[in-house]
Amino acid sequence: DTAVSQTPKYLVTQMGNDKSIKCEQNLGHDTMYWYKQDSKKFLKIMFSYNNKELIINETVPNRFSPKSPDKAHLNLHINSLELGDSAVYFCASSQRSRDRDRNYGYTFGSGTRLTVV
Amino acid sequence: AQKITQTQPGMFVQEKEAVTLDCTYDTSDPSYGLFWYKQPSSGEMIFLIYQGSYDQQNATEGRYSLNFQKARKSANLVISASQLGDSAMYFCAMRESPYGGATNKLIFGTGTLLAVQP
Repeated sequence: DTAVSQTPKYLVTQMGNDKSIKCEQNLGHDTMYWYKQDSKKFLKIMFSYNNKELIINETVPNRFSPKSPDKAHLNLHINSLELGDSAVYFCASSQRSRDRDRNYGYTFGSGTRLTVV
Repeated sequence: AQKITQTQPGMFVQEKEAVTLDCTYDTSDPSYGLFWYKQPSSGEMIFLIYQGSYDQQNATEGRYSLNFQKARKSANLVISASQLGDSAMYFCAMRESPYGGATNKLIFGTGTLLAVQP
């Protein structure tokens, strides 16, 4: 079973279109994230949800709208796509905890390569 | 502001040799966690190793070890006995607090591309 699964893996679309990327995790984690990896491989956080509550909202154009129907799912909808939106988008999940002895790292999905033409 | 710096854009290593990938960080938080991830050409992000700021010993995971020097704010990754399959991009990352309570925001360095030569 895939721990964090994203669909689709590849997405090619024209400028101006609206598209969505879906993410699901079966790890029982309470926090999910969207990261963007640009053409230079730099990874930057976009959004994070904890138990369906938005807790991180970085400086992202409001054409990007995350939605978390439950703590196992986090979707990303992008309106009016632009050439500069072309990137790899990673979903990730983790567990928030105050337990100092454990590693609560991130588990990443395999990424969605978005190409806007 | 928190920051992760990886000064080596690319490195070569001969198969079976050891290699050290550098990572320095900057944070004013007393509590933080440091991670290394591997990204092969296939694109997935693979967790390698974790070091908590209060951990007394350097972390080790198989052929990976983390050379943690807290006073110097460095967390270098050491890969022993390099294999051809180790060729990949390696990212150092830091989380605000390994113990929750904060946003668990993970920030990444710019990565080091490692090429293992036969």
